[in-house]
Amino acid sequence: GQNIDQPTEMTATEGAIVQINCTYQTSGFNGLFWYQQHAGEAPTFLSYNVLDGLEEKGRFSSFLSRSKGYSYLLLKELQMKDSASYLCAVPLSGGYNKLIFGAGTRLAVHP
Amino acid sequence: GAVVSQHPSRVICKSGTSVKIECRSLDFQATTMFWYRQFPKQSLMLMATSNEGSKATYEQGVEKDKFLINHASLTLSTLTVTSAHPEDSSFYICSAPGGSSYNSPLHFGNGTRLTVT
Repeated sequence: GQNIDQPTEMTATEGAIVQINCTYQTSGFNGLFWYQQHAGEAPTFLSYNVLDGLEEKGRFSSFLSRSKGYSYLLLKELQMKDSASYLCAVPLSGGYNKLIFGAGTRLAVHP
Repeated sequence: GAVVSQHPSRVICKSGTSVKIECRSLDFQATTMFWYRQFPKQSLMLMATSNEGSKATYEQGVEKDKFLINHASLTLSTLTVTSAHPEDSSFYICSAPGGSSYNSPLHFGNGTRLTVT
């Protein structure tokens, strides 16, 4: 089966750095996605990792360790608009684009 | 970029009635679309995979006779919640992949907030 774990909630200060962790268990591995979702809105794609290491994209970076079944999303220079839920997701084995999502981490950025 | 349009964005209906939600890929074709449901402060739960030209495949625990899915064309999938009850009140979101490879991100519609009274 597949299982994804993320912290439920996090808080951080504007301008700071925050790391959101995700651990996963899958029967096969075809990469890991991070999505951002503001309350009441659709998720938007942030990143995809399939190889070990850090992928940097502006203020957001995502890291993957396949051997540890672990990923994190790193948000730098936090802004108030970064307050949202961050969802970790993996494709189902053999399911190509069929994604299974973690419960999401609700991040609150305060002044 | 790829755009998925979903409507209505919000619907209120009475218990026992049926509600249809449409999901369209506006500038690309989608042979497959996915329907998710999301309860407050919870994550997205995959309900079913909509397949153009064939029957939808449902995830375990999802009643196919209650949640009717029709993928009428390469750009349109509909979800009909039949005989809706208050426990069906939720946020329903459709999505379509931007490609057929594992690294193709899903493009989501803006969701439909269903409230059954």
